Amino acid sequence: AQTVTQSQPEMSVQEAETVTLSCTYDTSESDYYLFWYKQPPSRQMILVIRQEAYKQQNATENRFSVNFQKAAKSFSLKISDSQLGDAAMYFCAYRSAFANQAGTALIFGKGTTLSVSS
Amino acid sequence: DGGITQSPKYLFRKEGQNVTLSCEQNLNHDAMYWYRQDPGQGLRLIYYSQIVNDFQKGDIAEGYSVSREKKESFPLTVTSAQKNPTAFYLCASSTGANTEAFFGQGTRLTVV
Repeated sequence: AQTVTQSQPEMSVQEAETVTLSCTYDTSESDYYLFWYKQPPSRQMILVIRQEAYKQQNATENRFSVNFQKAAKSFSLKISDSQLGDAAMYFCAYRSAFANQAGTALIFGKGTTLSVSS
Repeated sequence: DGGITQSPKYLFRKEGQNVTLSCEQNLNHDAMYWYRQDPGQGLRLIYYSQIVNDFQKGDIAEGYSVSREKKESFPLTVTSAQKNPTAFYLCASSTGANTEAFFGQGTRLTVV
């Protein structure tokens, strides 16, 4: 079974600085998708960025980028020019490219709480 | 606007009672999911459905039941067999293809 590990329960960053959140995963599959979701205090889950495993190029969305290392099974999220609104819990998630025992459900890590100070 | 609606936002249940959480989507998605979120535990999969009239257990299905009679609806019943039901519940949907999942606003269930 696939697992997702986020080893940093809490992280902090100052406004305008850069922070990197770590995520590792375990899978025997060759094709899959990886996601970072943001959950602010409202608790609404918001997609931040996604990465297809077959693409070598790292995904980027404005101030958010990932460092995808397929061989190492690592998928870190970098937030540049941090803003107060970035304060939230961030979840890393894995999804198989194939319908399997868990269908197309996302498998989540336990999350990293990011605080941003001014 | 298209989206996923969960209701109610807050729900209180007495011990020994069953309670049903509603989840409706108008995104025309085939697949729907229920997750449970506890502090420090991330999101854990309770049940999922990839098509109408079919659903499968996730990792923590004990004490829960679901139905999928319509494509738009995937209600979750928390039964009295669930020993620790107080949690935040999230419903999600996806096309079932290679896309992300979209989430509702969640329901906070408290046993009193």
